[in-house]
Amino acid sequence: DSGVTQTPKHLITATGQRVTLRCSPRSGDLSVYWYQQSLDQGLQFLIQYYNGEERAKGNILERFSAQQFPDLHSELNLSSLELGDSALYFCASSVEGVNEQFFGPGTRLTVL
Amino acid sequence: GQNIDQPTEMTATEGAIVQINCTYQTSGFNGLFWYQQHAGEAPTFLSYNVLDGLEEKGRFSSFLSRSKGYSYLLLKELQMKDSASYLCAVRDSNYQLIWGAGTKLIIKP
Repeated sequence: DSGVTQTPKHLITATGQRVTLRCSPRSGDLSVYWYQQSLDQGLQFLIQYYNGEERAKGNILERFSAQQFPDLHSELNLSSLELGDSALYFCASSVEGVNEQFFGPGTRLTVL
Repeated sequence: GQNIDQPTEMTATEGAIVQINCTYQTSGFNGLFWYQQHAGEAPTFLSYNVLDGLEEKGRFSSFLSRSKGYSYLLLKELQMKDSASYLCAVRDSNYQLIWGAGTKLIIKP
């Protein structure tokens, strides 16, 4: 158990819908990262937050947005969902200045 | 652009040794990571190299050559539970992790 929690574990929805994925980082970790992993693909970095502020942006679509709240939990919002958005979405957290990222168990999103 | 290359799939025998290579071209370098990921699970950290040379950690070792843009992960005394994907990631000049697509390692008895 990495200490990072993600909810829900599974999500099934229809095209055109909007969903919100939630992540709670490890206690004390200020950085949160979001990744997308499609079937048999590598991790695609989406976005990073540090202590409530956006720090870095990767290959995140305009239909996707994220935020980190004062209690450091983060939410990833996916809208106008398409079939191709079906993937595992991982959240990871880390301590500033420490190399390792700790990953949550992921949310498996299926868009039908 | 930034690029990390790893073999897509490798097969090895239980009890043997396997080397998984990773080559990279990134804008800047601030360390290289190896993660293990079992199917459908979260990646877990294996090793970190920032200086040239070999880092050993039990059955796993990782090597880095910055001048060649090259790393390898060496797994000894392979066990069936080592069947997984192994992800190479490089931290670039912006301190962002660039991930390879991963190498799927299949262990046969």
